[in-house]
Amino acid sequence: GAVVSQHPSWVICKSGTSVKIECRSLDFQATTMFWYRQFPKQSLMLMATSNEGSKATYEQGVEKDKFLINHASLTLSTLTVTSAHPEDSSFYICSAGGTGDSYEQYFGPGTRLTVT
Amino acid sequence: GQNIDQPTEMTATEGAIVQINCTYQTSGFNGLFWYQQHAGEAPTFLSYNVLDGLEEKGRFSSFLSRSKGYSYLLLKELQMKDSASYLCAVGDYKLSFGAGTTVTVRA
Repeated sequence: GAVVSQHPSWVICKSGTSVKIECRSLDFQATTMFWYRQFPKQSLMLMATSNEGSKATYEQGVEKDKFLINHASLTLSTLTVTSAHPEDSSFYICSAGGTGDSYEQYFGPGTRLTVT
Repeated sequence: GQNIDQPTEMTATEGAIVQINCTYQTSGFNGLFWYQQHAGEAPTFLSYNVLDGLEEKGRFSSFLSRSKGYSYLLLKELQMKDSASYLCAVGDYKLSFGAGTTVTVRA
């Protein structure tokens, strides 16, 4: 149980275009999902907390107009990178859970974004 | 805010024991997590400590001292597949991660 999927697993896009990444909880309902970004050999940096049916909460320094998050259902959250630039190239990882007694988060397999 | 420190790299021999230390300074503390991450993959959960003491789970154990702001992850009977990055994270429903410790297991 507790499987989280992401789609696509990797994507290459041209500078100035937008890319949508989907995060799904396959066998449980997730009222809260998290979006992280990880640059090579660096740690995971939390970008935003996605709450079903409400606006996402962004971490300091993350542009909410550039990274659009939608959590329309209990099993799906999407991250759209708008007007992508080469510096947005990174590994984007979502997670779900973090509630209840254990606070354990279940991570998706990640999406490798390359902006050319 | 959160300040989480762990060593960058460690190398050990197959069958040996390795201890990865993590120190943290946080504005609030609700628990400490250890995750394993293989290159190019998402992190997988290893352990969660909320109270002081040692939590043992098979070959992996995690220790926490809240008064010292200190934790360690102990990996016993190392196997080649244990070569990975080990991330220390602090928080509750929202996590702050350390930079990770890359462990290389040699034959």
